[in-house]
Amino acid sequence: DVKVTQSSRYLVKRTGEKVFLECVQDMDHENMFWYRQDPGLGLRLIYFSYDVKMKEKGDIPEGYSVSREKKERFSLILESASTNQTSMYLCASTQVSMNTEAFFGQGTRLTVV
Amino acid sequence: GQNIDQPTEMTATEGAIVQINCTYQTSGFNGLFWYQQHAGEAPTFLSYNVLDGLEEKGRFSSFLSRSKGYSYLLLKELQMKDSASYLCAPMNTGFQKLVFGTGTRLLVSP
Repeated sequence: DVKVTQSSRYLVKRTGEKVFLECVQDMDHENMFWYRQDPGLGLRLIYFSYDVKMKEKGDIPEGYSVSREKKERFSLILESASTNQTSMYLCASTQVSMNTEAFFGQGTRLTVV
Repeated sequence: GQNIDQPTEMTATEGAIVQINCTYQTSGFNGLFWYQQHAGEAPTFLSYNVLDGLEEKGRFSSFLSRSKGYSYLLLKELQMKDSASYLCAPMNTGFQKLVFGTGTRLLVSP
C-alpha cells in the first residue's frame, strides 16, 4: 500500500519558533510538494522538489524554506513562525511520468500562537 | 504562471446529475487532473485527461477541450457521500508543477 506520511497530525507552536514539518514517501517518487490549505483559498503550492537537493518555489514561498537531502524525505521549514502561518499543511508526491496521480499525506494542522 | 477558475460552491439533490466546470490558462499544458477532497481529509485522485474528449469512469466522467482551456467533471446519480470539494489541477510541462484551483464545494441534499 503506497504511503505518504507526515510527521505530525496536529502541532501547536509559538510565534518566532523554528518549525519543521516532515514528509516521507515510500514509493520512490521523484517529485514532492508542500501545500497549505486555507478556507476559501484552496490548496496553494509553497515549494516543490523534482530531485534530491533540487527545489523550486511555488506560488507562496515567503516565510518558508525546504530541504530534500534524501529522495524519500521532503521537509518544510518555517524559520520564524508567525500567526498567519496557522494552516493545514499537505505534502504530496508523484512520479515523473505525466499522467501519474499525486498521493497525499494526511495533513498537519499547524497552529501558531 | 497558471490561472484556474472553478465555481466556489454548488448544490444538488440525491440522484441528480451535476457538472463542475474548470477553465484554465497555463503555459505548456500537459493534461488535467480532477481530485476529490472530503472535509478534513487529503485529496484523492479521480481522473486524468490529456486528450480532448470525454473519459468515463463509472458515475464520474471528465471532459477536456485543450483549445478552449476548459474541462468539466460530470457526476451522475449523485449520492450523499459525493458531498465534497472537487479540485481541478492542470499539469504543465517542465518540472510537472502540480497546482490546484480553489476547488468547488458540492453539497448533495436528500
